[in-house]
Amino acid sequence: DAGVTQSPTHLIKTRGQQVTLRCSPKSGHDTVSWYQQALGQGPQFIFQYYEEEERQRGNFPDRFSGHQFPNYSSELNVNALLLGDSALYLCASSFKSGQQDYGYTFGSGTRLTVV
Amino acid sequence: DAKTTQPNSMESNEEEPVHLPCNHSTISGTDYIHWYRQLPSQGPEYVIHGLTSNVNNRMASLAIAEDRKSSTLILHRATLRDAAVYYCILRDVVSNDDMRFGAGTRLTVKP
Repeated sequence: DAGVTQSPTHLIKTRGQQVTLRCSPKSGHDTVSWYQQALGQGPQFIFQYYEEEERQRGNFPDRFSGHQFPNYSSELNVNALLLGDSALYLCASSFKSGQQDYGYTFGSGTRLTVV
Repeated sequence: DAKTTQPNSMESNEEEPVHLPCNHSTISGTDYIHWYRQLPSQGPEYVIHGLTSNVNNRMASLAIAEDRKSSTLILHRATLRDAAVYYCILRDVVSNDDMRFGAGTRLTVKP
């Protein structure tokens, strides 16, 4: 049973460019969350998608946008890249079920370097 | 807006138990206590979670204080592979808040 799959694993972009990162959730999961992790810090929440809609958002500018597809996979788009966007981008999937909390499964991340 | 407090770092000897503390004095009745760990160059990995009662699984045990304002992750016999950053996170299951990570505790295991 495949866990969370992220692609690509590494990426180098130039300032001002746009990037799209992809995530396939664990089988049976319907919710996808995206995180940014700078070197030496904990992951910072970007946003969460459920039923193809953005449900929650962290403190990130509108340059960060996303999408969820009917098969629950998701994309993270970042426009007008800045050097400070260089980080590990993590995708986590989970299953929404009323008031039960089942925890998250994380992918290994996409390492984005902006030069 | 971190809701938990953890020591920055801890050390342990291999094959000895490790107790990782977490303070969460503002915990609400619907907050689950989650523990994740992150090994170098990997995404976070689920360890354990609980609401009120102590929990055990194959990886670890979670001891929750009676007033729920603190908890302890217990690794019964640390191995070198347990060296990681351990995160304690509160998640309100009613509001369905997302996981909000702090800085975590960096655990070093000495042979």
